[in-house]
Amino acid sequence: GDQVEQSPSALSLHEGTDSALRCNFTTTMRSVQWFRQNSRGSLISLFYLASGTKENGRLKSAFDSKERRYSTLHIRDAQLEDSGTYFCAANTGYQNFYFGKGTSLTVIP
Amino acid sequence: EAAVTQSPRSKVAVTGGKVTLSCHQTNNHDYMYWYRQDTGHGLRLIHYSYVADSTEKGDIPDGYKASRPSQENFSLILELASLSQTAVYFCASSDWGGAYAEQFFGPGTRLTVL
Repeated sequence: GDQVEQSPSALSLHEGTDSALRCNFTTTMRSVQWFRQNSRGSLISLFYLASGTKENGRLKSAFDSKERRYSTLHIRDAQLEDSGTYFCAANTGYQNFYFGKGTSLTVIP
Repeated sequence: EAAVTQSPRSKVAVTGGKVTLSCHQTNNHDYMYWYRQDTGHGLRLIHYSYVADSTEKGDIPDGYKASRPSQENFSLILELASLSQTAVYFCASSDWGGAYAEQFFGPGTRLTVL
């Protein structure tokens, strides 16, 4: 079964609004990485976390440090250029990162 | 100066033909990975390698071989390409292979098998 459940699968936001994406893990994960895939298909790494939170501009990510069973990505003041598909990928401690199926984000003017 | 590059960026192959996808990294990383992405889905691991001249199977290795002739280069080989192997293929590298290992991805190769 899927190790990573990502929600929502699709999301539309008006410019200037805030939202949060979430990844739930079926087992304890050691680290998580968030990506945005743009319209050309390129994967852009946003955050890599082994614990705690990280922030970069209008984006902030958190990794549940207690049970390590979920991670969130917060988008503040959404802009048109934030549109794309967001993936989380989590690692159990071995070689494989398990990817979620993605959240397709559309920012509307 | 991209740290992980892939070639070709796109390829059309015929069923039953041999396809080789190449990946080159300048990160000086020990670990390299090949993933495939199918439309509307996340990535799945095909093969990985943690040292030159050695490769390991990932979650979906059937129908694929891998080759790591040097630390910098990692190839994915489809000996007999099939329609079901139409996908986008991503290469990645990381410094560590365990949990605390941020992965750096190449731009992807779009493979169409006809």
